[in-house]
Amino acid sequence: GESVGLHLPTLSVQEGDNSIINCAYSNSASDYFIWYKQESGKGPQFIIDIRSNMDKRQGQRVTVLLNKTVKHLSLQIAATQPGDSAVYFCAEIFSGSARQLTFGSGTQLTVLP
Amino acid sequence: NAGVMQNPRHLVRRRGQEARLRCSPMKGHSHVYWYRQLPEEGLKFMVYLQKENIIDESGMPKERFSAEFPKEGPSILRIQQVVRGDSAAYFCASSPRGGGTEAFFGQGTRLTVV
Repeated sequence: GESVGLHLPTLSVQEGDNSIINCAYSNSASDYFIWYKQESGKGPQFIIDIRSNMDKRQGQRVTVLLNKTVKHLSLQIAATQPGDSAVYFCAEIFSGSARQLTFGSGTQLTVLP
Repeated sequence: NAGVMQNPRHLVRRRGQEARLRCSPMKGHSHVYWYRQLPEEGLKFMVYLQKENIIDESGMPKERFSAEFPKEGPSILRIQQVVRGDSAAYFCASSPRGGGTEAFFGQGTRLTVV
C-alpha cells in the first residue's frame, strides 16, 4: 500500500505486505530528515533518519528515500506487522534555524489482519 | 537510564487558571525542546532551551506562555490564564547536544481546559 501523505492521511495495508508512506517537505535548505512513529497516547518514537547528502538509508525492515529535486521523502516498511499500526510523521531540520524539528501532518497506518 | 519524563500525564484546568508542565530530560542531556500537538495534527515547535538559557522561543505565543530550564530541576512550561484553545498535548524532547538530532521525546502532557 502507498500513501500520498498530505492527500491521503490514512493508509491501510494487509499484514505481511509492504507499506510506503510519503511526505513532501517544505524547506529546500533542510539538511536532516527523520521519520517518527507515534502510537496513540504516546510521544513520537524515532524510526530512522537521513542526511541531505544521501538519497537512501536502510534500517531493520525500514528504508527511507530522499528526493531533493522534488522535496520528497518516503518511508518503506517491509512485511508490515500489526505493531506497525500508528501515525507516522516526517520531520526536517534546517541548519539555519536553532535546529528545531519541523513536522509534517502525519499519516495514519492501519495494518489489517 | 530513564527516558524523558513528563508530568503530569493529564492535566485539567478551568479557564483562567495556570498550568505548569514539567519535563525531566534524559540523564546527560542539557538541551530541551517543547512542542505542542493539536488533535490529528503534527507537532509544532514552541521553544528550545539549554540549561538556564532560552535559545529560541520563536514558536511560543508572546502572551501567557513562558518556559524555563533551571540549573537544577526539570524544565517548566507555564501557561497563565488558560483558554480553551490551549487544550492540546504538550511534548518535551531532550538531546545531549544542540542540533535537534538525537532528540528523544517524553510521553507528553495532555492539557484540557474546561
